Amino acid sequence: LAKTTQPISMDSYEGQEVNITCSHNNIATNDYITWYQQFPSQGPRFIIQGYKTKVTNEVASLFIPADRKSSTLSLPRVSLSDTAVYYCLALSGGYQKVTFGTGTKLQVIP
Amino acid sequence: GAVVSQHPSWVICKSGTSVKIECRSLDFQATTMFWYRQFPKQSLMLMATSNEGSKATYEQGVEKDKFLINHASLTLSTLTVTSAHPEDSSFYICSARKAGNTEAFFGQGTRLTVV
Repeated sequence: LAKTTQPISMDSYEGQEVNITCSHNNIATNDYITWYQQFPSQGPRFIIQGYKTKVTNEVASLFIPADRKSSTLSLPRVSLSDTAVYYCLALSGGYQKVTFGTGTKLQVIP
Repeated sequence: GAVVSQHPSWVICKSGTSVKIECRSLDFQATTMFWYRQFPKQSLMLMATSNEGSKATYEQGVEKDKFLINHASLTLSTLTVTSAHPEDSSFYICSARKAGNTEAFFGQGTRLTVV
């Protein structure tokens, strides 16, 4: 299982772009980088997933360099409601178990 | 699509009683389901992995006789906390995956309080 490492916490002002990095030096060939968002007392919510280069959806972008040893989740123009914990996982298909690291607690400041 | 529903959302029980938590995949068949517990301000801790029709695989330190997991169908898994004690009070979350799919979908969680 590829272990991921993220900053424990980040602060950002409203309206700014936030970039959260994740390190996954031993990522496997068939692993996909997957990000989840979790609010207090709720289950994690899928944000975005990618294999390499750049992926963008309506809420975020994910940048993965060619060596795939790291990735960056980019949240454009954050609002107070984006205050949450963000988890980076390396997931493959099959029956592999899904484990979580510490996550990054993002605090958006007015 | 890909909705996972947990029931109940919260439960309070007396010490010594058993509590069952249900996890359902509403619009897909979940070949693998996971159960987690989460203490305040901590990350999710994987308790066990269950594949439909087979026994669950428990993580080290998780008592299989205390946390009974049944994955009887491709859309339902249950976690039963037997002889609950106050230290079992926690937030329990289930997750489900489709066969071959790289995403995992999570339920909304169940807050268990043992008094």
